[in-house]
This record gives sequence, structure tokens and C-alpha cells, in this order.
Amino acid sequence: NAGVTQTPKFQVLKTGQSMTLQCAQDMNHNSMYWYRQDPGMGLRLIYYSASEGTTDKGEVPNGYNVSRLNKREFSLRLESAAPSQTSVYFCASSEPGMSYEQYFGPGTRLTVT
Amino acid sequence: RKEVEQDPGPFNVPEGATVAFNCTYSNSASQSFFWYRQDCRKEPKLLMSVYSSGNEDGRFTAQLNRASQYISLLIRDSKLSDSATYLCVVNWGYQKVTFGIGTKLQVIP
Repeated sequence: NAGVTQTPKFQVLKTGQSMTLQCAQDMNHNSMYWYRQDPGMGLRLIYYSASEGTTDKGEVPNGYNVSRLNKREFSLRLESAAPSQTSVYFCASSEPGMSYEQYFGPGTRLTVT
Repeated sequence: RKEVEQDPGPFNVPEGATVAFNCTYSNSASQSFFWYRQDCRKEPKLLMSVYSSGNEDGRFTAQLNRASQYISLLIRDSKLSDSATYLCVVNWGYQKVTFGIGTKLQVIP
């Protein structure tokens, strides 16, 4: 049982480049989330998907897009990377109504130069 | 005022000590509360939920004070393996979750 997996683990981009972060979960959870974590800021929600077929903006959505491909997969796209997007990105999943515990993937460390 | 506030620390304590962290929240409508643990360069993982009556899990005790809007985490008999960052998490509505910045604990031999 892998839980939540993310790819890639590390990435370096130049300003203006694009990339997609992949996330998959095998726990049959309905809800999935993308967070970024910066020093002194805590985890901030970028986008979430309450269920397959729906996505909603979180606290810091600018510069990102998401796709809920199916119940298992939720991807995050940076169309034109900026140095301010240098961060650690975590994907998470949960089953709302059941303690709200979120299960996190191992994270992607992204550097934009 | 931030929605969830924590002292970032670090708290440096000797092995065997008792240490307590507090976390304050601003939204009085907050519904559920959690402590997560995050090891260096790893993902956060749920440590324990916090119930109104308080709850204990081995050496860890969590308490909620709704009147003063804070939750606490007490760790007794600290172990080296307890060294980590402890995140306070507050749920204040459907899909509305706020993470604190975390309190760093370093247990020293």
C-alpha cells in the first residue's frame, strides 16, 4: 500500500519554464490537495479537489493550475515558473467526514532560478 | 492576527524532560483540531486528534480550551526520537483547514 506518491522528488527550473507535478493515491479517498511549504509560512493550500470532477482554489492559487484526472490522480501545473514558486510542494488526500486526517506524499522540492 | 499561531521555537530539552507546546486559533467557529508531526525534510503525519475532553496517547497528551481558543500538546519523558516539528492544525469548515508554522523540538542527550 503506497499511500500518496508524488513525482518528481526534486526539480530545477529556469524562470518561464513549465512543468507538471504528479500525485496519485491508492486509498480511494475522495478529496485531494496541493500545498506549498515555505520557511516561516507553514503549509498553504494552493488548490483542492473535494471529489472527482471538481477543483477549487485555495489560499495561494495564482500561477498554478490543477487537473483531477480521475479519483486517484491530481496534478499541479506551473505554466511559467517564477523564482517566487521555489518551494516544497506536498500533495495530500483525505476522506472528509472521517476525522479529516490528511495523508501526505513525500513532497517535491522545486527550485526556480 | 494569524488564524493559527505557534511559537516556532526551537525548544531544546534534555532527554526525559516534559515539554509543552501551545497553539492559539482565531476562528471561534473552528470545529476540529489536530497535532501533526513533521520530521526534517519529510512529509507531515498525523500525531493525534484533539478532543474537547482532552486525550492521551502514551507519553503524549493533547488538550483543547475553547474558551481561550488554544490547544496544547504535552510530551512526557522526551526521547531523542521525539525531535521533530509539531504542527498545529485547525479545521474550521468543510475543506477549510489551516496549518500552523510548527514548533521545532530538539531533544538533547
